[in-house]
Amino acid sequence: AAGVIQSPRHLIKEKRETATLKCYPIPRHDTVYWYQQGPGQDPQFLISFYEKMQSDKGSIPDRFSAQQFSDYHSELNMSSLELGDSALYFCASSLRTERNSPLHFGNGTRLTVT
Amino acid sequence: SQKIEQNSEALNIQEGKTATLTCNYTNYSPAYLQWYRQDPGRGPVFLLLIRENEKEKRKERLKVTFDTTLKQSLFHITASQPADSATYLCALDMSNTGKLIFGQGTTLQVKP
Repeated sequence: AAGVIQSPRHLIKEKRETATLKCYPIPRHDTVYWYQQGPGQDPQFLISFYEKMQSDKGSIPDRFSAQQFSDYHSELNMSSLELGDSALYFCASSLRTERNSPLHFGNGTRLTVT
Repeated sequence: SQKIEQNSEALNIQEGKTATLTCNYTNYSPAYLQWYRQDPGRGPVFLLLIRENEKEKRKERLKVTFDTTLKQSLFHITASQPADSATYLCALDMSNTGKLIFGQGTTLQVKP
């Protein structure tokens, strides 16, 4: 079965640079979530989209923005990168109409800021 | 604010034994609770969901209990195997929008 696809798998950037992470949800899933996981930490919710509209916002810095496109893929844009942004970034998708639907996670993008 | 606590120390058990992981939460009464497995460098994988009106849920060697009075969920793996070694996360949806808040996870190591 198709899973959530994230790209790139690894990304190395320098401080103050910009990064764009991409997420392709499971086909027919209508909701996309972005999470950030630092070393040894639990995943922290950043932002979510339902039917291409932002539906919820968590601890996402103002330097980050995200959107969901007409084909349901999503991109997380990160500007003015800081060393502390180094983390694993996960995208997850779900079908909201499926009651209490679990999240299906991709394998993440490992961002290293040097 | 909502707080989710899991055993922060790693759990080491012998193959064949039952592993029991704990998830406690405060300041909220969730309609359901989920458990995920995460391997190093990989995304969390959904295991089980239990609703507030369910006391227990089973799936193969996995069992989850949910005590809304104690605000606690227990996750059991029976007849554990080395392949069960991973970090296990519990998660709550506080807003019924699918946004999950995770505990910090418990790392399980099953020794042959």
